[in-house]
Amino acid sequence: QVQLQESGPGLVKPSQTLPLTCTVSGGSISSGGYYWTWIRQHPGKGLEWIGNIYYSGSTYYNPSLKSRVTISLDMSKNQFSLKLGSVTAADTAVYFCARAGTDGYNFAYWGQGTLVAVSS
Amino acid sequence: SSELTQDPAVSVALGQTVRITCQGDSLRSYYASWYQQKPGQAPVLVIYAKNNRPSGIPDRFSGSSSGNTASLTITGTQAEDEADYYCNSRDSSGNHVVFGGGTKLTVL
Repeated sequence: QVQLQESGPGLVKPSQTLPLTCTVSGGSISSGGYYWTWIRQHPGKGLEWIGNIYYSGSTYYNPSLKSRVTISLDMSKNQFSLKLGSVTAADTAVYFCARAGTDGYNFAYWGQGTLVAVSS
Repeated sequence: SSELTQDPAVSVALGQTVRITCQGDSLRSYYASWYQQKPGQAPVLVIYAKNNRPSGIPDRFSGSSSGNTASLTITGTQAEDEADYYCNSRDSSGNHVVFGGGTKLTVL
């Protein structure tokens, strides 16, 4: 059974970079055909796709966040990471990591989510 | 703004059937997936590839699609089905993923 777990700071200062890591267990991120994805949810709001990385390393980002987002893989640790730069209070949200299948948007596996607040 | 549109709220009497819809141009090209989310929890996939249920999802959940509209139907709604429901798919370009705004389902 694949499991995902987010980790990172719960508080980030405005203008800084928000770093999160998703640790995958029960399966290898180097296995073909999966999109490793970051999704966020603002308090009381809906789900927002941030972007994903294919096992080959190809990345796809939400156009509204593209200039500030980097997603990367660390095969040696079976992890993938999110970096969101120049954060503001509007980036305060619960951040989820998830795995999609070959269609890129069918998220069968999710982490539990981690709340990140942006505040000085 | 989302390229997929959902009604913000829907209610259904216990034991009755409810349909939750999702509209968007990209649904003419791509199937929708559906997720159930309860407060404080991660979303759970309930329908994918139009009308496929992951293991463990009750068969009272079903999906359908016509034109630019995808639907999630819950037949014989149970109290535990009260939750937020989200659809998702690819956007019209096919390069990105989009979610609907979500529908809050209340079971009366």
